[in-house]
Amino acid sequence: NAGVMQNPRHLVRRRGQEARLRCSPMKGHSHVYWYRQLPEEGLKFMVYLQKENIIDESGMPKERFSAEFPKEGPSILRIQQVVRGDSAAYFCASSLATNEKLFFGSGTQLSVL
Amino acid sequence: KNQVEQSPQSLIILEGKNCTLQCNYTVSPFSNLRWYKQDTGRGPVSLTIMTFSENTKSNGRYTATLDADTKQSSLHITASQLSDSASYICVVSARGAGSYQLTFGKGTKLSVIP
Repeated sequence: NAGVMQNPRHLVRRRGQEARLRCSPMKGHSHVYWYRQLPEEGLKFMVYLQKENIIDESGMPKERFSAEFPKEGPSILRIQQVVRGDSAAYFCASSLATNEKLFFGSGTQLSVL
Repeated sequence: KNQVEQSPQSLIILEGKNCTLQCNYTVSPFSNLRWYKQDTGRGPVSLTIMTFSENTKSNGRYTATLDADTKQSSLHITASQLSDSASYICVVSARGAGSYQLTFGKGTKLSVIP
């Protein structure tokens, strides 16, 4: 069991470009969660998805950010027109079901130049 | 506002020594408290989880305590090893919220030196 896989591990973008972060949950897990960790801060919840559905996006910025978890393939966190303030570590977690233990991926470090 | 405060911010100890990390929280109503270990460049890995009724829980050389009255928790590491060098994060969940709606502390960065 490879665990939660995130890629890329590091992503560098210039201001105004798009960033796409991918997350493949643990085998058998259909619940995916995205968290953001700004420098010197704790992780903050962004969005919770279950296959093809967004369950809770209360932590997502209203503009430029979107997430999906299609029937086939990984979950994608998309950030359009990135700004320097988007530079952070983005972590994905998955669980077998609601209120089950979360397993985290190694994160994607996004750097915006 | 739900908050989790950890101390110290960073800590350096000699290999083989013990240490205790502190966590204070204001999350209410309280559901459970977890301690995670996060190695540099990796995601958090769960060490312990405690509910309201649990005062202490051990996982090998890690022992967590919880005082729900004072809203404080500690993580004690015994006979530290070089591989214990990591950030230790206190995470609290509120009752009624989803298990994913966690309030994370900023972590204590522990360095174990030979």
